[in-house]
Amino acid sequence: DTEVTQTPKHLVMGMTNKKSLKCEQHMGHRAMYWYKQKAKKPPELMFVYSYEKLSINESVPSRFSPECPNSSLLNLHLHALQPEDSALYLCASSHYYLRDRGLQPQHFGDGTRLSIL
Amino acid sequence: DAKTTQPNSMESNEEEPVHLPCNHSTISGTDYIHWYRQLPSQGPEYVIHGLTSNVNNRMASLAIAEDRKSSTLILHRATLRDAAVYYCILRDMIYNQGGKLIFGQGTELSVKP
Repeated sequence: DTEVTQTPKHLVMGMTNKKSLKCEQHMGHRAMYWYKQKAKKPPELMFVYSYEKLSINESVPSRFSPECPNSSLLNLHLHALQPEDSALYLCASSHYYLRDRGLQPQHFGDGTRLSIL
Repeated sequence: DAKTTQPNSMESNEEEPVHLPCNHSTISGTDYIHWYRQLPSQGPEYVIHGLTSNVNNRMASLAIAEDRKSSTLILHRATLRDAAVYYCILRDMIYNQGGKLIFGQGTELSVKP
């Protein structure tokens, strides 16, 4: 069983809908991540949060809006998505110590499979 | 970040050892070598990491060449559950840019009964 829980597991939405993906962890991790994975491709980083503050945005379009309301929760708000945004969205978390600059292993959820009609 | 090169796919037989190679000829002195794997329909899973010396844990062993330009992930007895995509990733311990992982294409390992 994964220690990072993502909901929903599957989501189908139209291009005009607004929806949110949710990620939760209770391991005391203070770094959380969103990755996007297209079929048969490796995961690609989207966002990094460290201590509830956005530290990295990999030039992701504004139709994806991350939010970290507290140290256990990470949301990804979706609005006006395109068909090419259909993918598996993975959340991960890790300890984050300045001393080792984020070398801690990342723990991944099993993702939300998103389909845009 | 320095790049890694892995074979696209490998096959093994159940209960036999598997050696998964990774080339990283441009590795810097501050790069750690990490391995993750992704089972079908699951998120990636951390396997092991090392800097210079060989490392062992309950999942696998990591053998690092003396010049650090290559490494090998060793599964001592492959099981059907080990069928997955294995990613070799370099992570700079100083200039890690917030802890991000940069995945390459990985090696898809299939295990035959």
